[in-house]
Amino acid sequence: EPEVTQTPSHQVTQMGQEVILRCVPISNHLYFYWYRQILGQKVEFLVSFYNNEISEKSEIFDDQFSVERPDGSNFTLKIRSTKLEDSAMYFCASSWGLAGRTDTQYFGPGTRLTVL
Amino acid sequence: AQSVSQHNHHVILSEAASLELGCNYSYGGTVNLFWYVQYPGQHLQLLLKYFSGDPLVKGIKGFEAEFIKSKFSFNLRKPSVQWSDTAEYFCAVLPDTGRRALTFGSGTRLQVQP
Repeated sequence: EPEVTQTPSHQVTQMGQEVILRCVPISNHLYFYWYRQILGQKVEFLVSFYNNEISEKSEIFDDQFSVERPDGSNFTLKIRSTKLEDSAMYFCASSWGLAGRTDTQYFGPGTRLTVL
Repeated sequence: AQSVSQHNHHVILSEAASLELGCNYSYGGTVNLFWYVQYPGQHLQLLLKYFSGDPLVKGIKGFEAEFIKSKFSFNLRKPSVQWSDTAEYFCAVLPDTGRRALTFGSGTRLQVQP
């Protein structure tokens, strides 16, 4: 069964550094998503991406965040200048996108980001 | 904005016990509802989903959930849990507005003792 994959599984960085989290969505899916879960808190939506542009974003997704589909398989989340409060588990998800209201999102295993 | 409440944060059961995990949402319109499970060290997996029709939905691994519109609830049930059901369970809601951002509950950690 195809799965969403994410690399790395754990990233440690210094405050102020840039990080790029990588995801490979399921191959025939058209919608891609990033969510995050700060330790002890709920999973929160960050952004959705379709047809090479952001289709929806939350208030969390400010100017320090960006997403990109650099090639036909990868989907990345970049945090320009990391802050301590960016420490979280970041989940990538994808969905087929053509099922309308019955579309289902499939999640990757997550990348744990630790900002020191 | 919609929200999801999962009242049980940590549940401990013995094998063969019955399970019911509560999920309530706040949103006045039509919703799509999901239960995801995260086994230790693994990714979020879809257990079951409700879009329309029969309010009792069956998912994988013997789980089922009932949508009760009047109570804004979507409780997850399993008649007899196994040790392998030890995991974290997340309820999520997606209002039927065309948007795609899932709103999750805080999760319930289920520990099944052999």
